[in-house]
Amino acid sequence: GESVGLHLPTLSVQEGDNSIINCAYSNSASDYFIWYKQESGKGPQFIIDIRSNMDKRQGQRVTVLLNKTVKHLSLQIAATQPGDSAVYFCAEAARGGSQGNLIFGKGTKLSVKP
Amino acid sequence: DVKVTQSSRYLVKRTGEKVFLECVQDMDHENMFWYRQDPGLGLRLIYFSYDVKMKEKGDIPEGYSVSREKKERFSLILESASTNQTSMYLCASSLINEQFFGPGTRLTVL
Repeated sequence: GESVGLHLPTLSVQEGDNSIINCAYSNSASDYFIWYKQESGKGPQFIIDIRSNMDKRQGQRVTVLLNKTVKHLSLQIAATQPGDSAVYFCAEAARGGSQGNLIFGKGTKLSVKP
Repeated sequence: DVKVTQSSRYLVKRTGEKVFLECVQDMDHENMFWYRQDPGLGLRLIYFSYDVKMKEKGDIPEGYSVSREKKERFSLILESASTNQTSMYLCASSLINEQFFGPGTRLTVL
């Protein structure tokens, strides 16, 4: 299988519970943030994004929270399912940075126990 | 839906070989990117391109080159493959910020 999950922080949750995955970002000038999900053997997939003029955004079963004061981003997954097992990582884009360039976090591996 | 395709899912090459990794996107995106992904190191940017025939070095360009002759195609070239280039290679494209990724190419250099 894929080795992308090695050496990563791991979050283990029971099926049906809520999951919270955290990310600390580095650049106070960042104004756009994305969460990606990467399943074993696949490329990263977009989950949800948020701009710095917001502190919360909701999607289907997912919520992203942004705390600019402490430069912290979190992804909440409601009623976690086995299909949510993957590596999740955040990415930030800096205002005034190179066009389209994202800075990626290292990722967190989410394991869902049935 | 945006589709980013990569020419191979798995590739095995020998040290010293010249390797071409191809990436094609079908959404007329201006920006294209090549990353490598290694355990514990996350995604590292090798090269990116904002337009046809334009290229910019990322964080780890050494040992790699790129080519963008057409808007939809961005190629990564390993001039002389080495064992430390064994990795997962990911291509992405974007219009503004959100990047869309291909499935990845797992390259092994023996």
